Amino acid sequence: QVQLQESGPGLVKPSETLSLTCTVSGGSTSDFYWSWIRQSPGKGLEWIGYIYYTGSPDYNPSLKSRVTMSIDKSKNQFSLKMHSVTAADTAVYYCGRTSSGWTYTDVWGNGTTVTVSS
Amino acid sequence: DIQMTQSPSSLSASVGDSVTITCRASQGVTNYLNWYQQRPGNAPKLLIYAASGLQSGVPSRFSGSGSGTDFTLTISSLQPEDSATYYCQQSSSSPLTFGGGTRVEIK
Repeated sequence: QVQLQESGPGLVKPSETLSLTCTVSGGSTSDFYWSWIRQSPGKGLEWIGYIYYTGSPDYNPSLKSRVTMSIDKSKNQFSLKMHSVTAADTAVYYCGRTSSGWTYTDVWGNGTTVTVSS
Repeated sequence: DIQMTQSPSSLSASVGDSVTITCRASQGVTNYLNWYQQRPGNAPKLLIYAASGLQSGVPSRFSGSGSGTDFTLTISSLQPEDSATYYCQQSSSSPLTFGGGTRVEIK
């Protein structure tokens, strides 16, 4: 079955760029949206955005000015870059596979903790 | 953005009880409503999609209903492993938004 695994630095300095990659195994990136969702400590879930397998993204307007997503079908990976991070961006970041019909996320990575601190 | 409001924020119930969680959308989302379960330290897990569709592998004691702005998740016979936080999510329009969560505790 399809599995997802996030990777990237666990510590990022304020004002720098957070970069995460999600590797898809057991399936291809075709025909789905590929999502990023985060959860701040002790808080609920926040949708960051997703990128369609064709490369077309949709970002949360609250983060749109700082977020870039990309997809590399040859490597079965998709990525998130978040610029100018602050302590408020400290969170567990999840990647997910999202259906293109009802837009539910049925496969999730385990999550990776990113701390923004100097 | 569509705001999702869940109630209650937490509940405590006994094994075997029937439990209902409510989710209300600030505007109509037709049936674009999903439910997730998150156990502590784990990623969310999809339970219900499209308001009432049971995700493969999810026990049949979980069920969802509703349409438009009002939705419910029911656990018909609570089990110890159901101790978790439950989130609703609307996927009708961007940005996708989640409810604040309902923590279910087993007495």
